[in-house]
Amino acid sequence: EPEVTQTPSHQVTQMGQEVILRCVPISNHLYFYWYRQILGQKVEFLVSFYNNEISEKSEIFDDQFSVERPDGSNFTLKIRSTKLEDSAMYFCASSGMRDQETQYFGPGTRLLVL
Amino acid sequence: LAKTTQPISMDSYEGQEVNITCSHNNIATNDYITWYQQFPSQGPRFIIQGYKTKVTNEVASLFIPADRKSSTLSLPRVSLSDTAVYYCLVGAGDTDKLIFGTGTRLQVFP
Repeated sequence: EPEVTQTPSHQVTQMGQEVILRCVPISNHLYFYWYRQILGQKVEFLVSFYNNEISEKSEIFDDQFSVERPDGSNFTLKIRSTKLEDSAMYFCASSGMRDQETQYFGPGTRLLVL
Repeated sequence: LAKTTQPISMDSYEGQEVNITCSHNNIATNDYITWYQQFPSQGPRFIIQGYKTKVTNEVASLFIPADRKSSTLSLPRVSLSDTAVYYCLVGAGDTDKLIFGTGTRLQVFP
C-alpha cells in the first residue's frame, strides 16, 4: 500500500535556527498538507498546497513558515527562525482530490527546539 | 464549519464491540463524516468515511441516521492494538483542511 513518508523522524535544533522538514507524498496525489500537533494537544492544520501554490493556510502559518515542492516527489516545510513554541510533531498529508477526499498522513517529524 | 462532540474516553475489554458516537448537529448537506485513528507519536490514520446510512469496511462500520446529526463508529471485537484516539471529522465542504477535535481515547484491557 502506498504511503506518505517523512524525514527526519526527529530533529533537534536551537532557537533561531532554520529547519526543513521533508515529505514524500503518495505518488499520484495532487493535494498536500502540513499539520502539527503539540504534545498532548489537538492536531492543527497549517497549510494546504495544490498546483504549486498555497491554497489555504491557518493563522499559525505566519511569515516564518514556507512550503515548497522543489521537484516532482518532495514537499517541504521550512521554518526560518524556530521558536521554542514550534516544538511539536509535524505531519505531512496528501490526497488525490480536495474536499471530502481522504487525506493520508505520514508518520511525522518530531521537532524539538531548545 | 460543523462542530463535532464525542466522548473524551472509553474503556473496553478485548473481544468486545465498541461503539463511539459523535454528534454533529450543524452538518451541512454536502458534508461527509470521516473517522481517523491515531496511535501515540504517529500520524492519524483513515478508518472510514460515509455520507448516510451504513458503511462497512474490513476495519469498522459507520452508522449514520437519516437526519445525519450524529454518527456511530463501530469496532467489532476490539483487541489491545485498538487502543488509540479516535477522531470524528465532518467535512467543511468549501475547504480542504481537516479540523480535528480532542477525539475519544479508547483504552482496551485484556
